[in-house]
Order: sequence, then structure tokens, then C-alpha cells
Amino acid sequence: QLQLQESGPGLVKPSETLSLTCTVSGGSISSRNYYWGWIRQPPGKGLEWIGTIYYRGSTYYNPSLKSRVTISVDTSKNQFSLKLSSVTAADTAVYYCARHGGGITTFAVVIIYYFDYWGQGTLVTVSS
Amino acid sequence: DIVMTQSPDSLPVSLGERATINCKSSQSVLYRSDNKNYLAWYQQKPGQPPKLLMHWASTRESGVPDRFSGSGSGTDFTLTISSLQAEDVAVYYCQQYHSAPITFGQGTRLEIK
Repeated sequence: QLQLQESGPGLVKPSETLSLTCTVSGGSISSRNYYWGWIRQPPGKGLEWIGTIYYRGSTYYNPSLKSRVTISVDTSKNQFSLKLSSVTAADTAVYYCARHGGGITTFAVVIIYYFDYWGQGTLVTVSS
Repeated sequence: DIVMTQSPDSLPVSLGERATINCKSSQSVLYRSDNKNYLAWYQQKPGQPPKLLMHWASTRESGVPDRFSGSGSGTDFTLTISSLQAEDVAVYYCQQYHSAPITFGQGTRLEIK
């Protein structure tokens, strides 16, 4: 059974960089069929896609966060990571890592599918 | 960006009754090339991550009870629970994956009347 687990600091100071890692077990992050993403949910609010990575390193970011986000992958550790710079209180949220159920390339555009496996999430609070 | 709008925001339903949640996209999420609607539904219970219920608008995930069904095409979609059970109390989200960025509806809170 595929499992994903987020890890990282639960408290980050304003203007600093939030760093989280997702460890994948029960399956390989290097599978050709899947993409790996980050989603966040502010307390009591809805879901926001942050970005996604393919095991070969291709990345896809939400334009609303693109200037501050970096997602990377370490296939040797079966992990992928999120860095979000210059955080403010508005970045306080539960951060989830998840697997996309697949993706296709059509007319040179990559379409990445729904999220079929999710981590339990980790609350990151931005506060001094 | 494709904006996903769900209705209602909150839905009280009696046990055993039908629950219907609507989701409307600001642009069509139907790909003509494969005739598939790039839409998913999730269920989120308190303190838990979202759980995938449906993809391709109407394909039920393995293990999801058959009282859950999805329908619709283009811009208008519906998630129906045919006979509400107590364990169905949750927030439900639709999500489009037709165009980047991936976007979600604001959520519909389903509760027992």
C-alpha cells in the first residue's frame, strides 16, 4: 500500500523559508506513470494546489506561488521536497503531499491528473 | 484559471435521504480528443486528508460505496449520495485537472438534518 508522509518544522518565522519533505513508501517515486504534488489548506478553508514534480525533475507550479516555490526530488531516498520562500502569516496552512493518478502529454502540454494518494498533512504556522 | 464553484456551501440532509452536490466550472473540462471530463470529487472528514471518490467525473474509486455517484459533462457536474449514512458527514470538493493550474471548488459541507 502506497504511503506518503510529510515532515518538517511546524513553525516558521515571517520572511523565512518553509521547507518540507515527503517520504514515499510502498512504491517507487521513479515510476514513469506518476507525478508527485503539494497541496495546502489554510485552517478552516479550502484546498490550493502548490505544485508538482515528475521523477525526472520536471516541475509545474501554481502561477500564484511560482515566484516563491521550489519543488525538488531525490529518487535515491524516494522523497520529494517543497521550499516556499518569504513566508507570511497567509502561508499558515496544513501542507499535504500527494500522488497524481497519472498524466499525459498532448500537443506538447502536460496534463496531470487527480490526486489518488495523500499524506496525512502537516500544519505549518508562520509566526514570530 | 478555471474557477470551480460548488453549491450549496452547506447541505443538511436526513439519514437515508438523497444528497446532491453541484459543481460548475468557468470553462469546459471536457477534452474532445478523448471525450473525458477532467473532473474529480473528494471527501474530507475532520482532521483527515481528502479522499478521492471519483475521477473522470463518474468513475468511482475502488472501495467507494456505490451509493456515491458522479454525473455531468462540460461545465456542470453533480455528486449524488443516494441514501445518506452517518459516516458520509464531511466536506466535499470538486477539482478540475483539465488546465493548469489545478483548481478546487470551495467545498460543500454535508451534515445530518
